[in-house]
Amino acid sequence: QKEVEQNSGPLSVPEGAIASLNCTYSDRGSQSFFWYRQYSGKSPELIMSIYSNGDKEDGRFTAQLNKASQYVSLLIRDSQPSDSATYLCAVNKNTGFQKLVFGTGTRLLVSP
Amino acid sequence: IAGITQAPTSQILAAGRRMTLRCTQDMRHNAMYWYRQDLGLGLRLIHYSNTAGTTGKGEVPDGYSVSRANTDDFPLTLASAVPSQTSVYFCASSRGGTGELFFGEGSRLTVL
Repeated sequence: QKEVEQNSGPLSVPEGAIASLNCTYSDRGSQSFFWYRQYSGKSPELIMSIYSNGDKEDGRFTAQLNKASQYVSLLIRDSQPSDSATYLCAVNKNTGFQKLVFGTGTRLLVSP
Repeated sequence: IAGITQAPTSQILAAGRRMTLRCTQDMRHNAMYWYRQDLGLGLRLIHYSNTAGTTGKGEVPDGYSVSRANTDDFPLTLASAVPSQTSVYFCASSRGGTGELFFGEGSRLTVL
């Protein structure tokens, strides 16, 4: 079992819809969780971090964490074609200094 | 310089040759990382450094070495390159060793 699992996609949504990206992790002791966005041929960039159960909202993005079920999700409201990218889920198991484990990413396609 | 600079951007290398990928940051972040990204395998941590003068092994350290003589520079060396080291290499940094990473633009390495 992979430590961090994501559906590779592509996930296709029409412009203006809500895109829902999911990630599960295997280590119940994981402490912090991150979503990175990576455009084709570019480097990853951090878009959300979440550390406790529940929802965290930032603009059109909402991260959701459920430690009991060991999943973290990212919702993108009012999806735009510019949101088309690969979304990487990253999990840290450690307290203190953090070494992230990344999922393989979900490719999102938003059609006009 | 703004953020993280990696060099070279792209390189083709003969197997058996020695290669150093350079990484410099100007954000005064104490933590730095090297990841490789391969299709279907995602980002995997090679080596990391939580402060100048210290380094640690990540998930896939074999065949690679790093040094951290100062805060800004974190070079990655392939002592004797092999074709399986063909990959895109990303250098990243974070303040305080958090999981909130800033990535360089990447170095695409092809070993023939």
